[in-house]
Amino acid sequence: AQSVTQLDSQVPVFEEAPVELRCNYSSSVSVYLFWYVQYPNQGLQLLLKYLSGSTLVKSINGFEAEFNKSQTSFHLRKPSVHISDTAEYFCAVSGTSYGKLTFGQGTILTVHP
Amino acid sequence: DADVTQTPRNRITKTGKRIMLECSQTKGHDRMYWYRQDPGLGLRLIYYSFDVKDINKGEISDGYSVSRQAQAKFSLSLESAIPNQTALYFCATSDFVGRAPYNEQFFGPGTRLTVL
Repeated sequence: AQSVTQLDSQVPVFEEAPVELRCNYSSSVSVYLFWYVQYPNQGLQLLLKYLSGSTLVKSINGFEAEFNKSQTSFHLRKPSVHISDTAEYFCAVSGTSYGKLTFGQGTILTVHP
Repeated sequence: DADVTQTPRNRITKTGKRIMLECSQTKGHDRMYWYRQDPGLGLRLIYYSFDVKDINKGEISDGYSVSRQAQAKFSLSLESAIPNQTALYFCATSDFVGRAPYNEQFFGPGTRLTVL
């Protein structure tokens, strides 16, 4: 069985400030990890993913996440946020070849001017 | 055109009514999924299908049924809608294990369902 815990339900920040959205997972097998983003009134879009190799993965819009196996974490970070980053962010894990995703509860990031 | 489409996008219905939500995809993926999203609960899996002849219950299948009419179509039905089925419903697809063992999923835009 696998599970995902997003430690913060809401994160308010000011524009240009750094942000970290926390995600911890549990799984009895090797994992693949994902961050999805949901902008207001839209579906989910893949932001970034860890499959193998380098533990630091990056998105095209400045987010990055680091896979930490010993701490079973996959925290999402951005050094300087923009108003347009306001959205809900979901961490997800896939741990078996049968391929189901387990999602966390979501973190609402609100960027204030 | 969008790769994963859902119809309707919004629906208001009454308790006891039967309702069907439809999902179509042009990605050529074998696997399709239905989720519901509730505030603070994230996405929860209702049903999933790994091919036309393979349908499986997810974690919250009670009160729902599905039909996989073709590789590209996967419908979700509420036989007798109740107010606590008010939620945002998402369809998703993924490629088969041989090509994508990590199961990256692609989502439709969602259907907002309100049951009065």
